[in-house]
Amino acid sequence: GAGVSQSPRYKVAKRGQDVALRCDPISGHVSLFWYQQALGQGPEFLTYFQNEAQLDKSGLPSDRFFAERPEGSVSTLKIQRTQQEDSAVYLCASSLVPDGEKLFFGSGTQLSVL
Amino acid sequence: GESVGLHLPTLSVQEGDNSIINCAYSNSASDYFIWYKQESGKGPQFIIDIRSNMDKRQGQRVTVLLNKTVKHLSLQIAATQPGDSAVYFCAESLLSGYSTLTFGKGTMLLVSP
Repeated sequence: GAGVSQSPRYKVAKRGQDVALRCDPISGHVSLFWYQQALGQGPEFLTYFQNEAQLDKSGLPSDRFFAERPEGSVSTLKIQRTQQEDSAVYLCASSLVPDGEKLFFGSGTQLSVL
Repeated sequence: GESVGLHLPTLSVQEGDNSIINCAYSNSASDYFIWYKQESGKGPQFIIDIRSNMDKRQGQRVTVLLNKTVKHLSLQIAATQPGDSAVYFCAESLLSGYSTLTFGKGTMLLVSP
């Protein structure tokens, strides 16, 4: 498809479990962003990649959160030792240009930590 | 009319009406603004954007107005349709430097047939 693809669509984890969320951006898009969206709220920034370089990770809530984009295309957001407060929708977005103009979002991964 | 619900302000309109959704942004230095539409279970969908050197920009059935003096952004939807029902977010950023998109709280638009 031509859009941003995220998997899995839903993830249920037991507290303390590690999870990995995948994002396939639009082909050729330089910028890739991860956002976290709590129920009824707007998305909040987590981290930003320009190609394979992680230029900004200031939004990651703790050192349990880790993101990578080793070849400048697919990205993975990993959450270690999940907590209930990690329950949210995790959105990936990509943009053709480095400054993040016109971000295109995927449908997100809904993470529920029990 | 417009009301504040438990989580989101809600705008209820009749099909065919024009809708106006308002947003107050926070950073006077922001120079780029986007409106997104988010349907239940989906990611935000790009609607229209505007740079700070413009006051108005029109798309298909949508118009964005920017008032930098009072840091206010609005989205006008003409001839609103039931398919327009969704949550609408404004977002701001700083293209002249580097910054990420900062989203507002969102407004739920409900269109009755």
